[in-house]
Amino acid sequence: SAVISQKPSRDICQRGTSLTIQCQVDSQVTMMFWYRQQPGQSLTLIATANQGSEATYESGFVIDKFPISRPNLTFSTLTVSNMSPEDSSIYLCSVLAGSDTQYFGPGTRLTVL
Amino acid sequence: AQSVTQLDSHVSVSEGTPVLLRCNYSSSYSPSLFWYVQHPNKGLQLLLKYTSAATLVKGINGFEAEFKKSETSFHLTKPSAHMSDAAEYFCVVSSSRDQGGKLIFGQGTELSVKP
Repeated sequence: SAVISQKPSRDICQRGTSLTIQCQVDSQVTMMFWYRQQPGQSLTLIATANQGSEATYESGFVIDKFPISRPNLTFSTLTVSNMSPEDSSIYLCSVLAGSDTQYFGPGTRLTVL
Repeated sequence: AQSVTQLDSHVSVSEGTPVLLRCNYSSSYSPSLFWYVQHPNKGLQLLLKYTSAATLVKGINGFEAEFKKSETSFHLTKPSAHMSDAAEYFCVVSSSRDQGGKLIFGQGTELSVKP
């Protein structure tokens, strides 16, 4: 398994501002993922963060709204830009360990006022 | 296309009684299947996974799941519930091993455990 940390663990932000969430893993991994979990909902994949190339976004998510960086094999950031109350969610990063198992960070709980 | 359906949005059991959380999947080929648990205000923890080895998979905390291809099911069970089992449980199917393990999540089942 992998040990994953996220910063911040929670935040309350004003609409129109941006928040950058950090994800750190304790070992080098090829693939990292970012998910959104809206209140009372399941997880939805936002994008796959690829080291050395642009992130791959899922339908309904765009780079201008959720820019992602992946500067090395242990770190990634997700920015939630120009936030609105609809962006209030838990944002989770995960890493792929082995061929098919993902391990998740503790999540960042975002509230937008 | 891959999909997963959790048949119960909420399950309530008494402490010490068996737990059954139901999951059906759809896949055009042999899937990888997972159960994750999310305790309140926590991230997701892997309970167990099936990847075409033994059909009965044992996980952490006394949970196990049985892969039944004929029924396209992967139900999660535990013989005796504990108060600490109260959480949200997600059944997950992997869309393709060749595509780096993109996960498809069920809608979740909230497990309540009464004293």
